[in-house]
Amino acid sequence: NAGVTQTPKFQVLKTGQSMTLQCAQDMNHEYMSWYRQDPGMGLRLIHYSVGAGITDQGEVPNGYNVSRSTTEDFPLRLLSAAPSQTSVYFCASSSTGYPVSGNTIYFGEGSWLTVV
Amino acid sequence: AQTVTQSQPEMSVQEAETVTLSCTYDTSESDYYLFWYKQPPSRQMILVIRQEAYKQQNATENRFSVNFQKAAKSFSLKISDSQLGDAAMYFCAYRSAVGNQFYFGTGTSLTVIP
Repeated sequence: NAGVTQTPKFQVLKTGQSMTLQCAQDMNHEYMSWYRQDPGMGLRLIHYSVGAGITDQGEVPNGYNVSRSTTEDFPLRLLSAAPSQTSVYFCASSSTGYPVSGNTIYFGEGSWLTVV
Repeated sequence: AQTVTQSQPEMSVQEAETVTLSCTYDTSESDYYLFWYKQPPSRQMILVIRQEAYKQQNATENRFSVNFQKAAKSFSLKISDSQLGDAAMYFCAYRSAVGNQFYFGTGTSLTVIP
């Protein structure tokens, strides 16, 4: 029962570097998303996807890129890291469709990213 | 976009007592789902309870129950017989029945006093 798996768990980047946060789920969920969590801000949606080949922007997409080539994987790319991107990042997935009875959202364990 | 508001950034409760966390939301939809998630210091997100908007009966999961007031767009979480392990950040979340995005509140940090 792997659920949603994120890697790496911790990462330190220098300003201007790029990196990819990996996310994989084994529940055959159509919907996948990335959130960032900052103190006092709750969870803010960065990007989301409702299926392979389909992605869309959330509330705070600037500086991030995503792709969805398979149902299972949804990587998040930081193009040129900035100190403002220091945060905890969560990948999450859920089934879709109406009615969506009971289909809650499942989270990975989080990735701690520090940009210096 | 729907908004979810948690007006209590911090709450505290004595062990074994009852505490209620507040959540309000703004939507024009009639069918949706509401959730409470718990985030302990490990940062893992754990589903506490779920409520379908079309159900009038309030959801209950052991010591956790909700007070769902659809007309008032209110969704509070009651924790009875509070335990030390209940100390965590609690997030209220909204999901449309036909959409896919989840909207989260800013969270309430709950402290349980021994």
